Parts: sequence; C-alpha cells; structure tokens
Amino acid sequence: KAGVTQTPRYLIKTRGQQVTLSCSPISGHRSVSWYQQTPGQGLQFLFEYFSETQRNKGNFPGRFSGRQFSNSRSEMNVSTLELGDSALYLCASSLIAGVGTDTQYFGPGTRLTVL
Amino acid sequence: AQRVTQPEKLLSVFKGAPVELKCNYSYSGSPELFWYVQYSRQRLQLLLRHISRESIKGFTADLNKGETSFHLKKPFAQEEDSAMYYCALRAEYGGSQGNLIFGKGTKLSVKP
Repeated sequence: KAGVTQTPRYLIKTRGQQVTLSCSPISGHRSVSWYQQTPGQGLQFLFEYFSETQRNKGNFPGRFSGRQFSNSRSEMNVSTLELGDSALYLCASSLIAGVGTDTQYFGPGTRLTVL
Repeated sequence: AQRVTQPEKLLSVFKGAPVELKCNYSYSGSPELFWYVQYSRQRLQLLLRHISRESIKGFTADLNKGETSFHLKKPFAQEEDSAMYYCALRAEYGGSQGNLIFGKGTKLSVKP
C-alpha cells in the first residue's frame, strides 16, 4: 500500500506570493491533518479535514487555509507569504477522525522557503 | 493548557548503555500519548503508544499519571537508534479525539 505523498517536495517563493501544497492520503484513509514544522516552534497542528469538512483548526492566521476533495486528497494554501512561513509542512492521514486508537501516517513533507 | 515538554534537546549515549528520553505532559483529561521517531532522511513514524503497552525495537514507555510523564526507555542502545524522537499527546476536540500536540523533540545520538 502506497504511503502518504506530498507535492511538491520543495518550493521557493517570495514574500507576498501565495502557495498551494498537495497531499494524497493512504488509500482508504479519510482524515487528513496538516502540521507545520520549524526549528523554533517544532511541530504545530494546522488543521484537520474529514469527509471534505474541516474538523479541527490550530492557532494559525487566516492566511492558512485548506480543503479536502471527495477522493480525500487535500490541499493547503498560504496567501501573502511571510518570511516566517518558511517551514516543513507535513501531512498525515488516518482511517477516520475522532478515534483515539487511530494511527496517523505522515508524508515526507514539503519544504517551503520564503525569500 | 495542553502541552508536551521534552526537556532534553540532545541526548548522547554509548552503544549498549541504557537510554531514557524524558517526556512530561500537561493535560486535564485522560491522555493518550505517543512516541514518534524520525530517522535521518526518513519520514516521521509512530514508534509506540501508551494504550498498546507494547515494546517496539526494544523501546518501552510507561504512562505515569501521578508524575504526568511518559518517558521512553531502552535498556541497551544501538547505533541504529540514533534519530529524532518526539513525544505527542492527542488532544480532545468536540468530545472526541483530535489533533496531536508534539514536544520539541530529543535528538538521540548513540556512539559506537
């Protein structure tokens, strides 16, 4: 079974631009979560989608948004990029949401650099 | 507030020595805790969870509710254990289980 895939793997943007990152979950998984990883703040939860609905959201500004499609693939968008948005963005998928025993499987991440 | 603290950024031990990676949490409810590991150039992956009470790759972790800790232990470290280890707490959301809250991670280096 193929793992979680994320595209692109690397991205360089300039301040003020916007960016869209994509995540394809493991086949059959319906929940997708996004995390931001930086050296200073570590891994921080962005949002979670389940059945095309945002189920949970972390403490990030409205510039960060996401969506999930009917095939469970998810995209996240960051508008008006700032230097501080430079980070590794991780996507994780799980079978369903809201169940403590469910395991999250992580993708390799997209490395975003904002110049 | 829900929080996970890993007090050591870096832990260096020799091969064959015992290792303990510390994790403390702050959570008002009944916690669900995990250890994730990231080997060099690999993706983040689940190592073990407290609910399973299992031993993976010789690692164990016991939930101590009194001390609000979930330390990861291995009696004899191996060089291949060198990696970044993250302790995580699953938060509650809307009455059910929600997102993971991660500690900042501990880099374990096992020297030959």
